[in-house]
Amino acid sequence: DVKVTQSSRYLVKRTGEKVFLECVQDMDHENMFWYRQDPGLGLRLIYFSYDVKMKEKGDIPEGYSVSREKKERFSLILESASTNQTSMYLCASSAFGQTRGQPQHFGDGTRLSIL
Amino acid sequence: DAKTTQPTSMDCAEGRAANLPCNHSTISGNEYVYWYRQIHSQGPQYIIHGLKNNETNEMASLIITEDRKSSTLILPHATLRDTAVYYCIVLNYGGSQGNLIFGKGTKLSVKP
Repeated sequence: DVKVTQSSRYLVKRTGEKVFLECVQDMDHENMFWYRQDPGLGLRLIYFSYDVKMKEKGDIPEGYSVSREKKERFSLILESASTNQTSMYLCASSAFGQTRGQPQHFGDGTRLSIL
Repeated sequence: DAKTTQPTSMDCAEGRAANLPCNHSTISGNEYVYWYRQIHSQGPQYIIHGLKNNETNEMASLIITEDRKSSTLILPHATLRDTAVYYCIVLNYGGSQGNLIFGKGTKLSVKP
C-alpha cells in the first residue's frame, strides 16, 4: 500500500513565524504535491514537484515555498505565517505515468492554525 | 478538464450496494475518471479510476458508459465506515501530474 506521511496532524503557530510542513512517501513516486483545503473552496494546489530539486507553482503559491532535496520528501514552507494561512494542508504523491493514469495518494493532512 | 455533476447526498442501508452516479458529458478521449472519498478530518482516499473499460478492485467497481459521458461507483456491501463524501473527478494526463479539483461531491450516509 502507498504510504504518505505528514509530520503533524495538528499544529499551532504564531503570526510571523516560519513554518515547516514535512511530507514523506514510501513508494518511490516521482510526483509530489501540496494542496490546502478550506470549507467551500475545495482543494487548491499550492506547489508540485515532478523530480528532485524541481518545483512548479500551482494555483496559490503566494506566501509559500517548497523544497525537494530527496525523492521521498517534499517540504512546504510558510515564510512568514499569517492568519489567512490557517487551513488543512494535504500532501499527495503519484508515480509518473501518463499512459496508465497513475492516481494521486494523500496523507492524512495537517490542520494548521495561525494565531 | 471536464466538469462533473454528482448528487448532493445519498443514503444506503448497511450491507446493501451503494451506487453513486457521476455525469461527465464533456469528457474528452484522453481523460480518466477518478473516484476519491473523504471521511471527516482525514485526507482524501483514492478508490478507483478508469478510462473506458469497467474496473474493479478490492474497494469498489467502476462502471463507465460506452459513450463515457457518465459513470457509476459501486460499493458492493456498504458498511458504516463507508459514510463519507465521494468525489468524481475527470482529469487529463491520468492525474499523475494534474491538479485535482474536487467539486462538492456526494455525501453518502450508510445507515444501520
